Amino acid sequence: AQSVTQLGSHVSVSEGALVLLRCNYSSSVPPYLFWYVQYPNQGLQLLLKYTTGATLVKGINGFEAEFKKSETSFHLTKPSAHMSDAAEYFCAVSDRGAGNMLTFGGGTRLMVKP
Amino acid sequence: SQTIHQWPATLVQPVGSPLSLECTVEGTSNPNLYWYRQAAGRGLQLLFYSVGIGQISSEVPQNLSASRPQDRQFILSSKKLLLSDSGFYLCAWSLEVGQPQHFGDGTRLSIL
Repeated sequence: AQSVTQLGSHVSVSEGALVLLRCNYSSSVPPYLFWYVQYPNQGLQLLLKYTTGATLVKGINGFEAEFKKSETSFHLTKPSAHMSDAAEYFCAVSDRGAGNMLTFGGGTRLMVKP
Repeated sequence: SQTIHQWPATLVQPVGSPLSLECTVEGTSNPNLYWYRQAAGRGLQLLFYSVGIGQISSEVPQNLSASRPQDRQFILSSKKLLLSDSGFYLCAWSLEVGQPQHFGDGTRLSIL
């Protein structure tokens, strides 16, 4: 069975500062990994995904994530935070089974201070 | 391109009343379909998923049921709503393994 742990349910950064949101997973098979963003009262929007190949994945809105197998991590980063980045972020892992089920982490709320 | 529609966007219902939330997907065939619930300040809870017409799997025993009468239509229902059914309900679709799930805009359900 898969599991996803997002360290820090709330993260606060200043505008222009580095954003680092942590995600660790456990999986019995090589993982497919995803990051989603959710703005208030909206659905989840895909930021980026890792399936195979290059371990540094670039996504939308200037975000990127690096798959580190040895650390079972898939942390999300952005060099410079914008006020518009304030949202809830979810990390997810696929079980690779029929139905393409995802296991989600508990989410991290990112707050950006002016 | 594919799109997903969920309605209504908000719903206020009294305890004990029935519920029907609808989700449709356009621009693809035979998608996997999902219903999730988000309680206030909490993460995502998978309620049901479907890999084909008439095929429904329930992840959590509850007061809700789901149906898939057509390939791209997924309906979440209840005969009698409970206060604990309040939350934000999200529908999603995906295709093959390794591809992301794509979410609708959600329905905010409040039970009075």
